[in-house]
Amino acid sequence: GNSVTQMEGPVTLSEEAFLTINCTYTATGYPSLFWYVQYPGEGLQLLLKATKADDKGSNKGFEATYRKETTSFHLEKGSVQVSDSAVYFCALHPPNTGNQFYFGTGTSLTVIP
Amino acid sequence: DVKVTQSSRYLVKRTGEKVFLECVQDMDHENMFWYRQDPGLGLRLIYFSYDVKMKEKGDIPEGYSVSREKKERFSLILESASTNQTSMYLCASDPQGYQETQYFGPGTRLLVL
Repeated sequence: GNSVTQMEGPVTLSEEAFLTINCTYTATGYPSLFWYVQYPGEGLQLLLKATKADDKGSNKGFEATYRKETTSFHLEKGSVQVSDSAVYFCALHPPNTGNQFYFGTGTSLTVIP
Repeated sequence: DVKVTQSSRYLVKRTGEKVFLECVQDMDHENMFWYRQDPGLGLRLIYFSYDVKMKEKGDIPEGYSVSREKKERFSLILESASTNQTSMYLCASDPQGYQETQYFGPGTRLLVL
């Protein structure tokens, strides 16, 4: 089946610290992979995506690489800011299984000054 | 920019009331989705639609129904609201294709008393 497993939160970091949020998946075929971010009181926004193996998605200093051999799509940022405090969701969209996305449970990040 | 709007940001209803949540997208997307988001459970798919008048059950359709009479509009209906339906409801849309991004509305926070 299709599923996403994210590291549990909450995660608290000091400003300028390095961030990693782990995401692994199981999927039928070769899915597209996504990271979404949800700021307090808002809906989800696309942060980055990768559509095939070894692709790297990047945006706003965040990066994630599609690793087929380890079925992973870990989110990283070299230096977090207070404004990065949000909930982060990993998601996959498999081919040929209809139109459904599969989301992880989300990881809450708080960055303190 | 893709715009997904939801009719209300906050809603308070009484047990047994019929509740309508409306969602409109302006990008001519084929697919539309309703999720509910609860702490610790992530996003759970209630219903989705891949065309006008078409609907598919998601993971938790019990107690809900949907309507899609026009391509841009997807309504979620709680026939008789119950307290366990208190939640954040998120609408999303995307064009068909597994590499495509799903776009979210700002969410409706529903409280059923």
